[in-house]
Amino acid sequence: DQQVKQNSPSLSVQEGRISILNCDYTNSMFDYFLWYKKYPAEGPTFLISISSIKDKNEDGRFTVFLNKSAKHLSLHIVPSQPGDSAVYFCAATAYSGGGADGLTFGKGTHLIIQP
Amino acid sequence: DTAVSQTPKYLVTQMGNDKSIKCEQNLGHDTMYWYKQDSKKFLKIMFSYNNKELIINETVPNRFSPKSPDKAHLNLHINSLELGDSAVYFCASSPESSSTGTSGSTDTQYFGPGTRLTVL
Repeated sequence: DQQVKQNSPSLSVQEGRISILNCDYTNSMFDYFLWYKKYPAEGPTFLISISSIKDKNEDGRFTVFLNKSAKHLSLHIVPSQPGDSAVYFCAATAYSGGGADGLTFGKGTHLIIQP
Repeated sequence: DTAVSQTPKYLVTQMGNDKSIKCEQNLGHDTMYWYKQDSKKFLKIMFSYNNKELIINETVPNRFSPKSPDKAHLNLHINSLELGDSAVYFCASSPESSSTGTSGSTDTQYFGPGTRLTVL
């Protein structure tokens, strides 16, 4: 049962254009969402996050949009750069009433930036 | 400076053996986690420790046991290794637990580089 889904295994974008990575979730208890970037043979690196009380969060070239009613979030990268080529994981978590929460990850989208 | 480190990076072993993977964080974080990335590339939470207390234990076989000698370390011990245990295991840490009850209070988790375990 995939609670976090990234339906595009890969995405190819030309350098300088906008990259849009999508993520859907099914658990309505999720209230915090994160995007991680992962290079081969390295651990995931935190990129940007958004709380369910917001619908947009921006950090430099990266913007995350959250549509709670559609249970959908997206990561926009503009302009895309060659160093952005990596696997991007969407993750979500829910407040559990106390204690540490694990993250539920999507399967990842491999973003390839073409020169 | 390495924030979250894991050793070894690669581990190849025979079925039935017992092995450990070590994790250390120098961020002063309160909570540490172990994740398994399976063959389908899903990252799944296995355990988390907050102040030496096990908080989460998903449906993980009891052959897996986390051990935390202190706040900066969370080691993963695996007994009687099986072929299906082959995967990449990631350690992570976060500053504090989600205990305030406020939406959006969950802290970001910082990941180690991963340990690729191969069971032959």
